[in-house]
Amino acid sequence: NAGVTQTPKFQVLKTGQSMTLQCAQDMNHEYMSWYRQDPGMGLRLIHYSVGAGITDQGEVPNGYNVSRSTTEDFPLRLLSAAPSQTSVYFCASGQGNTIYFGEGSWLTVV
Amino acid sequence: GENVEQHPSTLSVQEGDSAVIKCTYSDSASNYFPWYKQELGKGPQLIIDIRSNVGEKKDQRIAVTLNKTAKHFSLHITETQPEDSAVYFCAASLLNTGNQFYFGTGTSLTVIP
Repeated sequence: NAGVTQTPKFQVLKTGQSMTLQCAQDMNHEYMSWYRQDPGMGLRLIHYSVGAGITDQGEVPNGYNVSRSTTEDFPLRLLSAAPSQTSVYFCASGQGNTIYFGEGSWLTVV
Repeated sequence: GENVEQHPSTLSVQEGDSAVIKCTYSDSASNYFPWYKQELGKGPQLIIDIRSNVGEKKDQRIAVTLNKTAKHFSLHITETQPEDSAVYFCAASLLNTGNQFYFGTGTSLTVIP
């Protein structure tokens, strides 16, 4: 059982470049979300989805887009990367009141 | 919105001693409080949770207490072991509202052998 799978694990981007962080889950969870983790700031919610075709903004959505075309996948897009987006990104999925995190994606924007 | 504060940010204890991490929340409507453990290079994993209709919950060496009136909850780890070394996050949420969690800023626990 793979759980929540994130790719890539590590990425370096130049300012202004675009990229997509992939997230897939095989637990048939309706809920999926993206968090960013920065030193001293804990985990902050970027975007979330309560089912295919439904997405909504979290606490820090600016600079990020998401879509949810299938139950399994929830990609996070950076359209024009900025140094402030250097962070560790975690995808999570859940059902009921428990969420399960992926292993994280380390992104550096130079 | 909800604001969760967590203290201390770092904690060092001798192996076998107890460790306590405290969190406060601001929204009295929050009714679900999970704790996550994050090991180096890994994603956070749920270790214990408590609902607002319960004052205390235990699972082996780990316990969580909740004071709804004061809006604070705590994680207690007894008989600490080196493998307990990790970053611990508290969170607050509303049950059955789509899993929108508000996390504390984390506590880095080091257990010294």
